[in-house]
Amino acid sequence: DQQVKQNSPSLSVQEGRISILNCDYTNSMFDYFLWYKKYPAEGPTFLISISSIKDKNEDGRFTVFLNKSAKHLSLHIVPSQPGDSAVYFCAASVYTGNQFYFGTGTSLTVIP
Amino acid sequence: ETGVTQTPRHLVMGMTNKKSLKCEQHLGHNAMYWYKQSAKKPLELMFVYNFKEQTENNSVPSRFSPECPNSSHLFLHLHTLQPEDSALYLCASSQVTGETQYFGPGTRLLVL
Repeated sequence: DQQVKQNSPSLSVQEGRISILNCDYTNSMFDYFLWYKKYPAEGPTFLISISSIKDKNEDGRFTVFLNKSAKHLSLHIVPSQPGDSAVYFCAASVYTGNQFYFGTGTSLTVIP
Repeated sequence: ETGVTQTPRHLVMGMTNKKSLKCEQHLGHNAMYWYKQSAKKPLELMFVYNFKEQTENNSVPSRFSPECPNSSHLFLHLHTLQPEDSALYLCASSQVTGETQYFGPGTRLLVL
């Protein structure tokens, strides 16, 4: 059973607009969440993280929001740029655990 | 070299072959991981090593055999693989288990 889900396999956004990528999880014990970006023929690159003691974390154009009651995570990219076109994975873990659980990814295309 | 490197980047092998994948991390981390990524599936954790000790084996078939001689190097020995083992194999490392993981570029494996 998949504990982390990204229900949108793809998303297209106009350059300069906001991209919102969503992620849902089922395990209420998860307390550490990450977003990774992956270009073709490369491994995932760490983008931004958030722990469950916060509901928002910001790094430049990237903001991650955490809604613990809804078990929902989102990544906002503002403004979107063509170089942001990639597959985005969310991942979750229990901080003291061994394992991160990954979603299936959302392919973002930013149209110039 | 910086970050996490993996060799080879591409590998084609027959079902009777024996081959090895190599991963090296230059980040001073103590935990290393093997993941399998198949099309349209989430990343599947295969093995975890923490301070050279294997701490996780996610029910991986014995035709995959990991080896971690030191905290910087991780191998995945392959023998008598099946065509369904064709996938992208990713190595990752983190300071210790549970912390943010940094990925290598992966080895694209094709089993004929």
